[in-house]
Amino acid sequence: NAGVMQNPRHLVRRRGQEARLRCSPMKGHSHVYWYRQLPEEGLKFMVYLQKENIIDESGMPKERFSAEFPKEGPSILRIQQVVRGDSAAYFCASSPPKGRTLQETQYFGPGTRLLVL
Amino acid sequence: SQQGEEDPQALSIQEGENATMNCSYKTSINNLQWYRQNSGRGLVHLILIRSNEREKHSGRLRVTLDTSKKSSSLLITASRAADTASYFCATALNQAGTALIFGKGTTLSVSS
Repeated sequence: NAGVMQNPRHLVRRRGQEARLRCSPMKGHSHVYWYRQLPEEGLKFMVYLQKENIIDESGMPKERFSAEFPKEGPSILRIQQVVRGDSAAYFCASSPPKGRTLQETQYFGPGTRLLVL
Repeated sequence: SQQGEEDPQALSIQEGENATMNCSYKTSINNLQWYRQNSGRGLVHLILIRSNEREKHSGRLRVTLDTSKKSSSLLITASRAADTASYFCATALNQAGTALIFGKGTTLSVSS
């Protein structure tokens, strides 16, 4: 049973370009979360999605960032017109469908390290 | 503001010694989780303790939770070099428990 997969693992972009980060959740998981980690910092929540729906995007920057989780295929975190401050590690996590209990454990992918030159 | 704050920021010990890390949080919680992150890697879930639990064990890990003090501790007994990593506590940012909020972590170095 493969874990959460993210690609690419490393991504280098020049200022002004677009960055597309992909995340395939664990098999059977329908909830996806994106987090950003700056150097020497903890992870910061960005967005929570279910299939075809954004549930909570309270951590997403208002501009240039968007996320989707289509019916088919991986979840995509898209950063338009990247700036140097976007350089960070971006982690995706997934969790199984909700039952009667609240969401608990999230399973993390290896991350995509974005470097903006 | 940060929900979870780990203490100390860094800890260096010898193999075989015990390592204790602490976490404080600000608001009421349903559960608290501990994760480990090896350098340059993703996070690995270690243990979850619910708000109605006071102590939980998993192998060499022992977690305590004191909801009156809004604090938790992670104890790693008989540490090994492979335990070298950063350790984070996480609580839910919202009532739904969907968004986790992490502290800056404790960096543990275990030397042989």
